[in-house]
Amino acid sequence: AQSVTQPDIHITVSEGASLELRCNYSYGATPYLFWYVQSPGQGLQLLLKYFSGDTLVQGIKGFEAEFKRSQSSFNLRKPSVHWSDAAEYFCAVIKTSYDKVIFGPGTSLSVIP
Amino acid sequence: DADVTQTPRNRITKTGKRIMLECSQTKGHDRMYWYRQDPGLGLRLIYYSFDVKDINKGEISDGYSVSRQAQAKFSLSLESAIPNQTALYFCAAGGGAGANVLTFGAGSRLTVL
Repeated sequence: AQSVTQPDIHITVSEGASLELRCNYSYGATPYLFWYVQSPGQGLQLLLKYFSGDTLVQGIKGFEAEFKRSQSSFNLRKPSVHWSDAAEYFCAVIKTSYDKVIFGPGTSLSVIP
Repeated sequence: DADVTQTPRNRITKTGKRIMLECSQTKGHDRMYWYRQDPGLGLRLIYYSFDVKDINKGEISDGYSVSRQAQAKFSLSLESAIPNQTALYFCAAGGGAGANVLTFGAGSRLTVL
């Protein structure tokens, strides 16, 4: 069965520092990959997605992610974190366009002013 | 109005009671999902539906049932609520050219005493 892992349960960074959140999936073929963000008390919002093509994808709020097939990873990055980025971040995977969306356990991000 | 609306937003009930959480969407999407969020476990899929006549169990469907009354409506029922069903429940819709991109509701917080 496909699965998604996010090795870091909680990360704390200082405002202005760079950020990388890890995501790994276990599936042989290249799935569709997503990052969603959940701000406190809110629903989830799409940050970015990868379907095919350029392995470095840009998203909203200055985020980017890189798909690495050899590592089965889709890590999320931001060069300079803002206090408003404090939230829960979820990686999600779908095997094919006809399959269901599966989410990872999430990484909680805290930002120190 | 929100694209995906969940009602109620908050509900406290007692063990053994029947509960229905309702979800409606105005995006015209074919696909609808119900997820459950628990701390440290991320979003776990309860049920999903790819059209009105298509209902599929997710990874944690025991104790839950769903009804797809129309393309726009997807309800989740707990026939006899138990305390470990206390959680935050999210409905999501996906379809069109970005069929795998989900739009989430704001969530329904359910407490079972």
